Amino acid sequence: NSKVIQTPRYLVKGQGQKAKMRCIPEKGHPVVFWYQQNKNNEFKFLINFQNQEVLQQIDMTEKRFSAECPSNSPCSLEIQSSEAGDSALYLCASSLSSGTGTEVFFGKGTRLTVV
Amino acid sequence: AQSVTQPDARVTVSQGASLQLRCKYSYSGTPYLFWYVQYPRQGLQLLLKYYSGDPVVQGVNGFEAEFSKSNSSFHPRKASVHWSDSAVYFCAVSAKGGRALIFGTGTTVSVSP
Repeated sequence: NSKVIQTPRYLVKGQGQKAKMRCIPEKGHPVVFWYQQNKNNEFKFLINFQNQEVLQQIDMTEKRFSAECPSNSPCSLEIQSSEAGDSALYLCASSLSSGTGTEVFFGKGTRLTVV
Repeated sequence: AQSVTQPDARVTVSQGASLQLRCKYSYSGTPYLFWYVQYPRQGLQLLLKYYSGDPVVQGVNGFEAEFSKSNSSFHPRKASVHWSDSAVYFCAVSAKGGRALIFGTGTTVSVSP
């Protein structure tokens, strides 16, 4: 069973509000991913880190989304100004390395509803 | 471009019957393929993975899958399903550069009594 811990499990925000969610990766996993899963089960990769450094992120993430993985603290994903289209399940995942094919372990997700 | 297609959005099977899921991928080179299962209100759990070698791989919960390079497919099957197998199943391929997974849109499996 995965030991990736995500909090909160549910988050409700009004449009324009900030939404922040946290993730504790599995112990010893230096690589952390954030994905967005929408109601149609479409996954969108947002950003990933190796230790505290950003490895890759998509354009959407660069604008309203911010994320960090400080040392000795949970990783976080924050949406600066929530929009209705941001309503989704946000999944955090971690792995031992960023190498191709490395097994990735997922948390249970934070379900964001923007009203 | 790399992509994954799951042609069946929904599959209904009777308890005790066999289950076959389908996944076709588009990838230049040797792909790293995965199947994940998502139970209600849960995250994704790894079911099967294929990297190389024997094209038939054994997974968890009685699933096995066969990789076919000629057909660009990675189809899992289970001989006898249980109601607890009701879930959404996702196929995924590891993107080049190893930095993200590319997912299909899932197959919802409903096991009827």
